[in-house]
Amino acid sequence: NAGVMQNPRHLVRRRGQEARLRCSPMKGHSHVYWYRQLPEEGLKFMVYLQKENIIDESGMPKERFSAEFPKEGPSILRIQQVVRGDSAAYFCASSPPEVSGRGTQYFGPGTRLLVL
Amino acid sequence: TQLLEQSPQFLSIQEGENLTVYCNSSSVFSSLQWYRQEPGEGPVLLVTVVTGGEVKKLKRLTFQFGDARKDSSLHITAAQPGDTGLYLCAGWDSSYKLIFGSGTRLLVRP
Repeated sequence: NAGVMQNPRHLVRRRGQEARLRCSPMKGHSHVYWYRQLPEEGLKFMVYLQKENIIDESGMPKERFSAEFPKEGPSILRIQQVVRGDSAAYFCASSPPEVSGRGTQYFGPGTRLLVL
Repeated sequence: TQLLEQSPQFLSIQEGENLTVYCNSSSVFSSLQWYRQEPGEGPVLLVTVVTGGEVKKLKRLTFQFGDARKDSSLHITAAQPGDTGLYLCAGWDSSYKLIFGSGTRLLVRP
C-alpha cells in the first residue's frame, strides 16, 4: 500500500507565476489536509478537504490560494501570483473515513517551493 | 486559539546521553501526538496519548501525558545518532485542525 504521494518534490517559481502542488492520498483515504511549514517552524494547518468538498479552509490565505479534491485524481493546492513569502514546504496528509474527521493523519514527503 | 509550546528548541547531545523534551499548553487537549520529522521528509507519527497521566513506551522513547492533559513530555534514553531529527507535538483543536508545536531539533553526535 503506497503512502501519501506528493509531486513535485521541489518547485522553483519566479514571482508572479503560478504554483500547482499535487497530492495523492493513501488508497482508501477520503480526507486530505494541507499544511505549510516555514523554516525552523512547525506545521500550520491550511485546509481540510473531502472528495469534491472543502470542509475547512480557515488556515488558507483568502487571496491567491485555492485547493480542490476532485472526484477523480489528486488533490491540488494552487498558488497564484506567488511571492517570496510563499517559499515554504507544503505537506499533504490523508486519513481514512472517520465520523469526526480526527482520524490518524499520514503525511506525504512534502513539496519544497522556492520563489525567486 | 490553542497553542503548543515546545522546549528546548534545539538540543545537541552526545551519543548515550538521556534527554527530555517538553510540550506545553494553557489549553486542554483531548489527546496529543508526537511526530519525528527527518530532513526532506514529512512527519511520521510516533505515538498518541489520550488519557491524563498516561505513559507509553516505544523502545528507548517514553511519552507521558500530563494529568490535566495540557502538557506532554518525551524522554529518550541512551540517545543514538539515528534519533536525530525534528520532534513535533500536535493536538486537535475543537474542530478538525491538527495544531503543531514549533518543534525540538535534536542532534545526537556520535
